[in-house]
Amino acid sequence: AQTVTQSQPEMSVQEAETVTLSCTYDTSESDYYLFWYKQPPSRQMILVIRQEAYKQQNATENRFSVNFQKAAKSFSLKISDSQLGDAAMYFCAYSPGANSKLTFGKGITLSVRP
Amino acid sequence: ETGVTQTPRHLVMGMTNKKSLKCEQHLGHNAMYWYKQSAKKPLELMFVYNFKEQTENNSVPSRFSPECPNSSHLFLHLHTLQPEDSALYLCASSQDHDGSYEQYFGPGTRLTVT
Repeated sequence: AQTVTQSQPEMSVQEAETVTLSCTYDTSESDYYLFWYKQPPSRQMILVIRQEAYKQQNATENRFSVNFQKAAKSFSLKISDSQLGDAAMYFCAYSPGANSKLTFGKGITLSVRP
Repeated sequence: ETGVTQTPRHLVMGMTNKKSLKCEQHLGHNAMYWYKQSAKKPLELMFVYNFKEQTENNSVPSRFSPECPNSSHLFLHLHTLQPEDSALYLCASSQDHDGSYEQYFGPGTRLTVT
């Protein structure tokens, strides 16, 4: 069974600084998809970034980028120039793809200090 | 309305009550999902519907009964719930039930069972 582990329950970052959120996963698949979702205090969860395992290039979306290490089964999220609006819970998620469901980690609460 | 909407946003019910949660997506998607989000636990997938057909029932107790009359609407009928069923219930939709697609989430229904 696939598992997703987010070992840090909470992190804090100073506004304008950079923070990295960790995620590891366990799978025997060679092709799969990884996601980071953000859930702000308003509770509407939104996709932050998506990575296909067959792509070697790390995904980036503006201030958000990932460090995807396939051999190590690691998928960390880097947030650059942190803003107050980045404060939220962040969930790492995994899917093997076709006809498959998402498996989520427990999430990490990120706070941003002004 | 755009995106995924859920009603009610908050619900308090006794263990003998019967209530229903409603989800509607305005994105033209074919797949819809119910998740349970409890504190300190990963999101738990409950049900998946694709083109109105249930494709996943993640060993959910029968006191939770889903209904998907069409691809835009999803209900979760609740009866004789237990206090441990208190949680945030999230609805999501995606273009297809293929796990590679991004899921769009609603704001959730905060359920309290007394």
